[in-house]
Amino acid sequence: QSVLTQPPSASGTPGQRVIISCSGSSSNIGRNYVYWFQQLPGTAPKLLIYRSNQRPSGVPDRFSASTSGTSASLAISGLRSEDEADYYCGVWDDSVYVFGTGTKVTVL
Amino acid sequence: EVQLVESGGGLVQPGGSLRLSCAASGFTFSTYSMNWVRQAPGKGLEWISYINSRSSNINYADSVKGRFTISRDNANNALSLQMNSLRGEDTAVYYCVGRGMDVWGQGTTVTVSS
Repeated sequence: QSVLTQPPSASGTPGQRVIISCSGSSSNIGRNYVYWFQQLPGTAPKLLIYRSNQRPSGVPDRFSASTSGTSASLAISGLRSEDEADYYCGVWDDSVYVFGTGTKVTVL
Repeated sequence: EVQLVESGGGLVQPGGSLRLSCAASGFTFSTYSMNWVRQAPGKGLEWISYINSRSSNINYADSVKGRFTISRDNANNALSLQMNSLRGEDTAVYYCVGRGMDVWGQGTTVTVSS
């Protein structure tokens, strides 16, 4: 049972900005770094954001993230068709790692 | 190239056992913690186990505690997951994940069914 809540879906037209929320608690997001993962259809997840707002090399700066209190958010600017995927937040909660419920992003 | 390659998945009967392996390359495996994450068909991601670089700190999700055992062989850049007393709800794609959740394998499929 996930302790991180995400909206099940989000959508936008090409070029728009989409924001995905991730709601947690003081024991996870309120205390530790948040990670974001992108899972394209039929593929393994890929790290998109680490340490709450850092992008690994190769990840476009269209992807940005932030945290505030016990919530985190991922923003996708300049939405493109290749951004259509499932997105998950993740964070350590004491000695277990928890993933968000996942958000399916659709490009209209 | 940084890479994780899982193997060992397959079809197993309920109550049976299976051992998954993960071969690491392209980075200093012995200095990084590793994890196993699974994804049931059509479902989200579920973390199931963690092991630190020296195998001195190991954690499991409640759903697999007492049934699964994670281990590593730093000399051979290998991670393993011994799965016993398998249940239908263990059916999933199992991913080897490491280097701070940075690197993911392609996954290996485990199906528990009679």
